[in-house]
Amino acid sequence: AQRVTQPEKLLSVFKGAPVELKCNYSYSGSPELFWYVQYSRQRLQLLLRHISRESIKGFTADLNKGETSFHLKKPFAQEEDSAMYYCALVLYNQGGKLIFGQGTELSVKP
Amino acid sequence: DAGITQSPRHKVTETGTPVTLRCHQTENHRYMYWYRQDPGHGLRLIHYSYGVKDTDKGEVSDGYSVSRSKTEDFLLTLESATSSQTSVYFCAITGNTDYEQYFGPGTRLTVT
Repeated sequence: AQRVTQPEKLLSVFKGAPVELKCNYSYSGSPELFWYVQYSRQRLQLLLRHISRESIKGFTADLNKGETSFHLKKPFAQEEDSAMYYCALVLYNQGGKLIFGQGTELSVKP
Repeated sequence: DAGITQSPRHKVTETGTPVTLRCHQTENHRYMYWYRQDPGHGLRLIHYSYGVKDTDKGEVSDGYSVSRSKTEDFLLTLESATSSQTSVYFCAITGNTDYEQYFGPGTRLTVT
């Protein structure tokens, strides 16, 4: 079954500390994965996608097919990174629908 | 913000009443989606549309119906609202050339 799991509901770090938000997926085909971010009371917006292999706002994410993971990392967290983060998987065989993980709330303390 | 609006933005209604939420896009995109967002559950797909008058169910479609009579509008109806439908509802659209979804601002619905 297709599934996205984000094991941490809340991740709290201090400013300047490294951050890793975990995402694991279950998918029988070749996966396409996204990270979305939602700042307080704002709409969700795309943070990055694995196929572009780019760094946005200092965040990177590498697809590890062996471990079926797509963890989001940033070496030095900033207070403005505090937000809700969602990992999402594209279901190619269902018209490109996305399935989302449960979300991880990142809190960066000063 | 990809030309997506939702109305109303906030609504309080009573159990048993019908409620309709509207999603409007100005991008002429084919695919539109309705999600609900609940703590601990992330975003769950309610219904989606792949064209005018073409809709299908998502994972949590019970108690909801949708209609799409024009490309730009996708309506979500709660036929008889229940307290379990208190949630934040997001509409999204997909670009015609990739799978990235663009989200609306959300509607906060409270059923008392």
